[in-house]
Amino acid sequence: AQTVTQSQPEMSVQEAETVTLSCTYDTSESDYYLFWYKQPPSRQMILVIRQEAYKQQNATENRFSVNFQKAAKSFSLKISDSQLGDAAMYFCAYRSALNSGGSNYKLTFGKGTLLTVNP
Amino acid sequence: GAGVSQSPSNKVTEKGKDVELRCDPISGHTALYWYRQSLGQGLEFLIYFQGNSAPDKSGLPSDRFSAERTGGSVSTLTIQRTQQEDSAVYLCASTSRLGVGGARLFFGEGSRLTVL
Repeated sequence: AQTVTQSQPEMSVQEAETVTLSCTYDTSESDYYLFWYKQPPSRQMILVIRQEAYKQQNATENRFSVNFQKAAKSFSLKISDSQLGDAAMYFCAYRSALNSGGSNYKLTFGKGTLLTVNP
Repeated sequence: GAGVSQSPSNKVTEKGKDVELRCDPISGHTALYWYRQSLGQGLEFLIYFQGNSAPDKSGLPSDRFSAERTGGSVSTLTIQRTQQEDSAVYLCASTSRLGVGGARLFFGEGSRLTVL
């Protein structure tokens, strides 16, 4: 079974600075998808960024980018020019790309990293 | 609707009582998930529905938990004889592009269950 580990329960960053959130995962599969979701106090999870494992190029969405190291099974999230609205719980998630049954559509989540942004 | 709607937003119940949590997915979304988020934990998969296929119930923690999805739309998660360890936020998510592996899940705001 796949596992996702976020080793930083909490992180803090000064407004306008850059912060990196860590995520590692364990899988025997070669093709899969990785995601970062953000959960603000409203509790509604929002997709921040996603990465296909077969793509070598790191995904980027505005101030958010990832450092995907497939061999190391590492998928970190970098937030540049941090804003107060970035304060939230961030979850890393894994999904198999196998297409052989409903269970492969499960997302496996890490335990999350609580990000605080200081003004 | 515009988004995934869950009700109730908050529910306080006494140990031993039954509770029902409702999820109304985005119109047209064929896939629906239930996850449980306990304090200090990540999201724990509970159950997944896809169209008319048999649901994947592999994540349900005990036979006190059940879920159904009527007409391929609204879903109800039922917890019988609630226990204090059932206290958590129950999140529902839906998506339509399940055939696309990187499909984004759209989440509701969750139902916070507190069992006294």
